[in-house]
Amino acid sequence: DTGVSQDPRHKITKRGQNVTFRCDPISEHNRLYWYRQTLGQGPEFLTYFQNEAQLEKSRLLSDRFSAERPKGSFSTLEIQRTEQGDSAMYLCASSFGTAYGYTFGSGTRLTVV
Amino acid sequence: AQSVTQLDSQVPVFEEAPVELRCNYSSSVSVYLFWYVQYPNQGLQLLLKYLSGSTLVESINGFEAEFNKSQTSFHLRKPSVHISDTAEYFCAVSEWNQGGKLIFGQGTELSVKP
Repeated sequence: DTGVSQDPRHKITKRGQNVTFRCDPISEHNRLYWYRQTLGQGPEFLTYFQNEAQLEKSRLLSDRFSAERPKGSFSTLEIQRTEQGDSAMYLCASSFGTAYGYTFGSGTRLTVV
Repeated sequence: AQSVTQLDSQVPVFEEAPVELRCNYSSSVSVYLFWYVQYPNQGLQLLLKYLSGSTLVESINGFEAEFNKSQTSFHLRKPSVHISDTAEYFCAVSEWNQGGKLIFGQGTELSVKP
C-alpha cells in the first residue's frame, strides 16, 4: 500500500470558481478525515466519514463546502464559489480507528487569486 | 469543548542539547493524546501516542512524552537532539467518544542548530 494519496498537489484558482480535491485512503481504513491547515496553525478539522457515512461536519465548514465518499472508498472535497480566505493546505487522513492514529496524505495546496 | 495549547511557537536549540516541547489540553472526558511531526516539505507523521496504561510513551527515534492527568499535560522531550529533528511538532487530543476526531495544537517549530 502506498499510503494516502491526494490529488492535485497544488491548485490555483480564481475567486468565484469551484474546485474539487480527491483523496484515496489506505484501502483497509474505514475512517477518512478532512482537515485544513493555514500557515503557522495546526490542522483544523473539517469533516469525517466512517465508510460511506459522513458522521460529523465542522461548524466552521460553510455551505460552500461539500464532501462525499461514495462506496466508502475515495473521497472528494468540493468548494463552490471560492474566496481568498479558502486559500490553505487541505489535508486528508485515514485510520482504522482512534487507537491507531491517522495516516496523512501530503495535502492539496489551494491558492485563490 | 476540547482544546490543545502548545505553549511555545518556536524552540531553537543547539545540537545534542535536551529539549522539551510543551502541550496542555482541556477536556471533560477521557482522552487519547498524540504527537505528530512535520518535516520540511513533508506530510504529517505520527510520532507517538498515549492511549492508556503507562503514562510514559516513547518513539523509535528517542523522543518520549509523559501524560500527566492532574496537570492535563503531554509534554514531549528528547535528551539529545540532532539536526535532523528540525521540524514542526503538533500535539493532538481525541476524546474517546468522538469517532477518532483529532483536535490539534498550533504547532511548535523546533530548530536545531549546529
